Amino acid sequence: GAVVSQHPSRVICKSGTSVKIECRSLDFQATTMFWYRQFPKQSLMLMATSNEGSKATYEQGVEKDKFLINHASLTLSTLTVTSAHPEDSSFYICSARAGGAGNTIYFGEGSWLTVV
Amino acid sequence: KNEVEQSPQNLTAQEGEFITINCSYSVGISALHWLQQHPGGGIVSLFMLSSGKKKHGRLIATINIQEKHSSLHITASHPRDSAVYICAVFAFGAQKLVFGQGTRLTINP
Repeated sequence: GAVVSQHPSRVICKSGTSVKIECRSLDFQATTMFWYRQFPKQSLMLMATSNEGSKATYEQGVEKDKFLINHASLTLSTLTVTSAHPEDSSFYICSARAGGAGNTIYFGEGSWLTVV
Repeated sequence: KNEVEQSPQNLTAQEGEFITINCSYSVGISALHWLQQHPGGGIVSLFMLSSGKKKHGRLIATINIQEKHSSLHITASHPRDSAVYICAVFAFGAQKLVFGQGTRLTINP
């Protein structure tokens, strides 16, 4: 079946540095990818929707200059957390929607970010 | 009121019991997803439904479009089924999923 690979699965970085998380669709073209954040025991919170070749659409309250999203190809989207702060520590997960207007969604394995 | 409501929020059962998790939604949808999230965090898509019923192994998902309601059933439950189960819908014309709050299922041996 379709697979969405997310890397790294765990990352620790120092405050003030930037960290990049990759989301790849391995065997299908993902015209749309979604980035979520999840705090412990809470629901997924959509951060932004990215369409290949265009700027991401950010949800209200999400700082676009802090969470940079790039969807440069039909198989890769990246989330860069800039000037990381301990409060950015969280679980980040991506999902990819198969091309066209299909409703099939595949999720990545998620990335645990710890900012120290 | 959330657009997608799940019940129960928490469910603890003994191994072997039949499990039902319910999802109600208030918008017209093009598809409904049942997702499973294990403690490690990764999310697995169990089912995508737009009508009727689907079965995969011990898992059964049903949807009633008229009543805006879906159920996820687990037969012969096992401790490895312990996870958070999430209902999510695509509203008509929408690009993004709307999630229920999740149901935390614990199956005791």
